[in-house]
Amino acid sequence: DIVMTQSPDSLAVSLGERATINCKSSQSVFYSSTNNYHLGWYQQKPGQPPKLLIYWASTRESGVPDRFSGSGSGTDFTLTISNLQAEDVAVYYCQQYYSTPWTFGQGTKVEIK
Amino acid sequence: EVQLVESGGVVVQPGGSLRLSCVASGFTFNNYAMHWVRQTPGKGLEWISLITWDGTTTQYAESVKGRFTISRDNSRNSLYLQMNSLRVEDTALYYCAKVSLRSTIWRHFDYWGQGTLVTVSS
Repeated sequence: DIVMTQSPDSLAVSLGERATINCKSSQSVFYSSTNNYHLGWYQQKPGQPPKLLIYWASTRESGVPDRFSGSGSGTDFTLTISNLQAEDVAVYYCQQYYSTPWTFGQGTKVEIK
Repeated sequence: EVQLVESGGVVVQPGGSLRLSCVASGFTFNNYAMHWVRQTPGKGLEWISLITWDGTTTQYAESVKGRFTISRDNSRNSLYLQMNSLRVEDTALYYCAKVSLRSTIWRHFDYWGQGTLVTVSS
């Protein structure tokens, strides 16, 4: 199984500042037939299901504010929230959809400092 | 508007059985693979099962293999999870989720239901 490890487990960021969440996969999730990293990011607010933010490691889902961005290559990926807003308080998960079983990171809780 | 509505979660005793349902609307259900994912406070998000758009292929996490069965009825736009030999550790919020692209399993999940709570306790 591919293990997804996120860091940090939690972070507190001031409003308007940048939050950076890291995700490391235990093996490559690059799929040559799609020429993409099979890596997604989800946001989960309390009492709600996860919501897709980013797919292919760096493609923003339609309707997601452009302060959310994804990057990375190899086995190291990053979700960046620039200009943090109060509504961004949530737990963020990375997920690989490269091979079964599909696996998620343990989550990173983002709070306001 | 895509909607996924799960139901069937209840309190059940260890060793018991349960069937969860997920009714889909707002998209052509029989074109998309579907997943079940569960969430517990201690273990976060855990993928547990997949079924292809035509129901011909299923996959399971090792933790539920041999106990859970995923199925679908495309005429009813419905996804199911038959859960047998339930254990305390199966206690979780169960979500159904839709794959983002038709006729493939190798894509992210673009929509999730609100979840249904299964509690296994004596």
